Amino acid sequence: DTAVSQTPKYLVTQMGNDKSIKCEQNLGHDTMYWYKQDSKKFLKIMFSYNNKELIINETVPNRFSPKSPDKAHLNLHINSLELGDSAVYFCASSQDSSGTSYEQYFGPGTRLTVT
Amino acid sequence: GNSVTQMEGPVTLSEEAFLTINCTYTATGYPSLFWYVQYPGEGLQLLLKATKADDKGSNKGFEATYRKETTSFHLEKGSVQVSDSAVYFCALLYTSGTYKYIFGTGTRLKVLA
Repeated sequence: DTAVSQTPKYLVTQMGNDKSIKCEQNLGHDTMYWYKQDSKKFLKIMFSYNNKELIINETVPNRFSPKSPDKAHLNLHINSLELGDSAVYFCASSQDSSGTSYEQYFGPGTRLTVT
Repeated sequence: GNSVTQMEGPVTLSEEAFLTINCTYTATGYPSLFWYVQYPGEGLQLLLKATKADDKGSNKGFEATYRKETTSFHLEKGSVQVSDSAVYFCALLYTSGTYKYIFGTGTRLKVLA
């Protein structure tokens, strides 16, 4: 039974297009995250939601817009895709945002390639 | 600011060799420290953690000790296996209004049979 799932696993698209990546967790966690991992494996947090409320919004272009319809889902929509957006995007969740439950559970990643 | 520095890889070892992957951190306050592992084609998984100074985290034969005096959290394993081949990430969790993770750049380990 998959804990954190993402779709699609691979996404190839052209510059200028708009695309979405979906994430769902069945762990009953309150907090979800989006990370970007570049080609050198550097992992950087982009957003965090706690109970559908945005709590972390790092410096990312406003072409990236997260949406959380409920606490089990956190989707990432990207407008006007650019070559530099090519990366692996990971969704993650944790029990809460207070730090008392430290472990983050990661999805398998979505490899986005912009041509 | 807060940061995590890991040794650059790749690290290539023969099976049963001793492993050390260095990790040092800079942080205000008292962060918690973690090692995550990423196997090929998968997301990160928590390997071990330590929440205060002198704590030792351990799992699957891996160990790391939270050293406040040297601001380090080096990962060690006495005898690596081919199945340990993966990318290892050191991370810290700190609070600045809300809790945030900072991940190191990752160290790729390749174990040869």
